[in-house]
Amino acid sequence: GAGVSQSPSNKVTEKGKDVELRCDPISGHTALYWYRQSLGQGLEFLIYFQGNSAPDKSGLPSDRFSAERTGGSVSTLTIQRTQQEDSAVYLCASSAPSREQFFGPGTRLTVL
Amino acid sequence: GIQVEQSPPDLILQEGANSTLRCNFSDSVNNLQWFHQNPWGQLINLFYIPSGTKQNGRLSATTVATERYSLLYISSSQTTDSGVYFCAGPPYNQGGKLIFGQGTELSVKP
Repeated sequence: GAGVSQSPSNKVTEKGKDVELRCDPISGHTALYWYRQSLGQGLEFLIYFQGNSAPDKSGLPSDRFSAERTGGSVSTLTIQRTQQEDSAVYLCASSAPSREQFFGPGTRLTVL
Repeated sequence: GIQVEQSPPDLILQEGANSTLRCNFSDSVNNLQWFHQNPWGQLINLFYIPSGTKQNGRLSATTVATERYSLLYISSSQTTDSGVYFCAGPPYNQGGKLIFGQGTELSVKP
């Protein structure tokens, strides 16, 4: 596609529910990144994929967070048993290896 | 881990004024990027500038990698320049994940 796309754009959920966030990277970009932007923490890295492998998961805040990537393209970030502190904007970026990253519009997650 | 410091944190300008935003890194980074986050939250790529100077219209950027800083110049500012400006860079040999500064919030008044 022309740019990185993410869905849904907004998600409101109740505490304790699971959510799935989707990212479609720019076609041909083998590297994919998830970040989170919240008021208190700024923009922080979550996980990095090269192809379908995730060599760096160091930013995932707890074991309730997981992500996968299939076919070297689409990625899904899953948050289980959501908590109020998970409320944030989740951003996805893609790039050629070690090159300029391009960001999607984000998914705004609100946990009530 | 690496720390990224941006200054100033806030800036108010009159339309037409010039400004310089600064980004300091505590350790070496490569592939430094500058972004503008618009009011809708979208991160817009401004510059991909590992070193040297680049210009794009009224904006230019300079990175001095050996001294671990980068500067973003905005000339003849316009109200549409308002928003938050971020710099970010990946530490060497860490897979490319970007470490972001806290941003500079710019407000340009008509």
